[in-house]
Amino acid sequence: DGGITQSPKYLFRKEGQNVTLSCEQNLNHDAMYWYRQDPGQGLRLIYYSQIVNDFQKGDIAEGYSVSREKKESFPLTVTSAQKNPTAFYLCASSRDGNTEAFFGQGTRLTVV
Amino acid sequence: GIQVEQSPPDLILQEGANSTLRCNFSDSVNNLQWFHQNPWGQLINLFYIPSGTKQNGRLSATTVATERYSLLYISSSQTTDSGVYFCAVDSGANNLFFGTGTRLTVIP
Repeated sequence: DGGITQSPKYLFRKEGQNVTLSCEQNLNHDAMYWYRQDPGQGLRLIYYSQIVNDFQKGDIAEGYSVSREKKESFPLTVTSAQKNPTAFYLCASSRDGNTEAFFGQGTRLTVV
Repeated sequence: GIQVEQSPPDLILQEGANSTLRCNFSDSVNNLQWFHQNPWGQLINLFYIPSGTKQNGRLSATTVATERYSLLYISSSQTTDSGVYFCAVDSGANNLFFGTGTRLTVIP
């Protein structure tokens, strides 16, 4: 099956902890993205990557970090510096950054 | 970034009715997509339509790029059409800007 897989589906974090969200794609897409969605809102871009070993900050990158060591993987770390991390996180990919984007099923992160 | 406005914010329809959702954007774009977010949160691709008209079953979309708007038409609505519909645009900055969505409820 081709697609984008995010894991876990639900994640609970204690205050002060770092957590890492996984995103894997087997679509052979060059571009990958992380978005955050808050209740009743649209999506906002956290980070994006056009090629391996390169990534750029989006609109709300503070408190987050990413890596892109492999074409198919783009993990997102939510650090303790992120003041309000409870949200729905969506990963996406597209062939080259200017074409149709496809999304994973999302990870719902809750701080307890 | 580009401003994206969607209307109406909420829409309640009787099953079988037709509807039109609108997306206005503030700058020229090279990518415009319509998504349906289901109750579990997944974003389903409906249309990739930076310009022109496309149809897929009961759904169709039109983008008039020169006037900076797009329309999504839903005909003969079904309860499974319920959810939030998002419009997202990109001007070439590798960032899809999303509107705040139209929440559609179809009642039997």
